[in-house]
Amino acid sequence: AQSVTQLDSQVPVFEEAPVELRCNYSSSVSVYLFWYVQYPNQGLQLLLKYLSGSTLVKGINGFEAEFNKSQTSFHLRKPSVHISDTAEYFCAVSPSPNFGNEKLTFGTGTRLTIIP
Amino acid sequence: SAVISQKPSRDICQRGTSLTIQCQVDSQVTMMFWYRQQPGQSLTLIATANQGSEATYESGFVIDKFPISRPNLTFSTLTVSNMSPEDSSIYLCSVLVGGDYGYTFGSGTRLTVV
Repeated sequence: AQSVTQLDSQVPVFEEAPVELRCNYSSSVSVYLFWYVQYPNQGLQLLLKYLSGSTLVKGINGFEAEFNKSQTSFHLRKPSVHISDTAEYFCAVSPSPNFGNEKLTFGTGTRLTIIP
Repeated sequence: SAVISQKPSRDICQRGTSLTIQCQVDSQVTMMFWYRQQPGQSLTLIATANQGSEATYESGFVIDKFPISRPNLTFSTLTVSNMSPEDSSIYLCSVLVGGDYGYTFGSGTRLTVV
């Protein structure tokens, strides 16, 4: 089974400042990793995903994440945030296809609040 | 990626009644998932629904409470039965599009039970 830990439940950041949202995972098998964003009263939108290859993954809206296998982490970063980035961010993991049982396990989420 | 239409977007229901949520996908997909997001919480998987087979439920969820239908590769329904206020949540369907491994989500159904 897989599990995901998002260490920060809330992160306040000033506009145009950088931000890092932390995500650690646990799994006995190879995994795929995802970051989703949920704006108020909306569904989930995929920001980026790591399947294989380069450990630095670039996503939409200027976000990027780095997969670190030794530290079992997949932290999300953005060099300069905007008011429109205010949302809930979820890290998620699924087993890679070789191990079947494809389903997402989510972390508890991090609420990013941008301060003008 | 797939486009999902989920209905209704929200509803207010009386306790003891049932609500059926529909999920329509614009392309054929093998795997569909139903999630629950309780207020202020993360997403919890209710069940996996594959066409042509019985849904697979996660621990803590049972078919009598959350019956699921999957009649074809583009459509699924989740019923929340005999509702209580504790069932007030957002319910989301999700599909897995093979190849790029993109899990796509519907916009959710916000359910309030009074």
